[in-house]
Amino acid sequence: DAKTTQPPSMDCAEGRAANLPCNHSTISGNEYVYWYRQIHSQGPQYIIHGLKNNETNEMASLIITEDRKSSTLILPHATLRDTAVYYCIVRVHGSGNTGKLIFGQGTTLQVKP
Amino acid sequence: SAVISQKPSRDICQRGTSLTIQCQVDSQVTMMFWYRQQPGQSLTLIATANQGSEATYESGFVIDKFPISRPNLTFSTLTVSNMSPEDSSIYLCSVERRVRAGGTEAFFGQGTRLTVV
Repeated sequence: DAKTTQPPSMDCAEGRAANLPCNHSTISGNEYVYWYRQIHSQGPQYIIHGLKNNETNEMASLIITEDRKSSTLILPHATLRDTAVYYCIVRVHGSGNTGKLIFGQGTTLQVKP
Repeated sequence: SAVISQKPSRDICQRGTSLTIQCQVDSQVTMMFWYRQQPGQSLTLIATANQGSEATYESGFVIDKFPISRPNLTFSTLTVSNMSPEDSSIYLCSVERRVRAGGTEAFFGQGTRLTVV
């Protein structure tokens, strides 16, 4: 079973920041938080990941709370092409062993004009 | 990045028949993953395919129903056997690459949309 909880759907106005929350209250110390998205009729696409520090790349920012029990994915300026299902996943990393990607139901983000 | 080609992209099959889905990667990878996505649902991992060994199946999936081959480091096949309408899904192949210390990025094929009638 997925170890994360996400709202099933969210709306965002085009050009505004989209903030997608994720709860992972049972996360272990060696588990990373990953975000993927799936645009309709395509395979999932990697967005970002982090362990405990906030992370930023060209697509998004990831804010992880100090206790690591929740995180927020931020799309700073949402466009219509960001409409997709966003998946928050926790997975373990260890020496020579990477945990499986277990997808929950995700959040359907609808960006509106 | 990794380029993944899946064939066929879609198919309509008669119940009781089998379909073999091919996955070709543009570079060598240790593990390849097969997922199923039922209509309106999230992705479910079927199995992990390592070259040179038997695939590792997730709970609820068995080798007799979903046999997997992994003949080399760039290719894998998934067969959906003795199909029923409940097997109608999108089947996706995936590989992973390290992106930075401690992290990996998964790449997915475009999927095979299977309809069983």
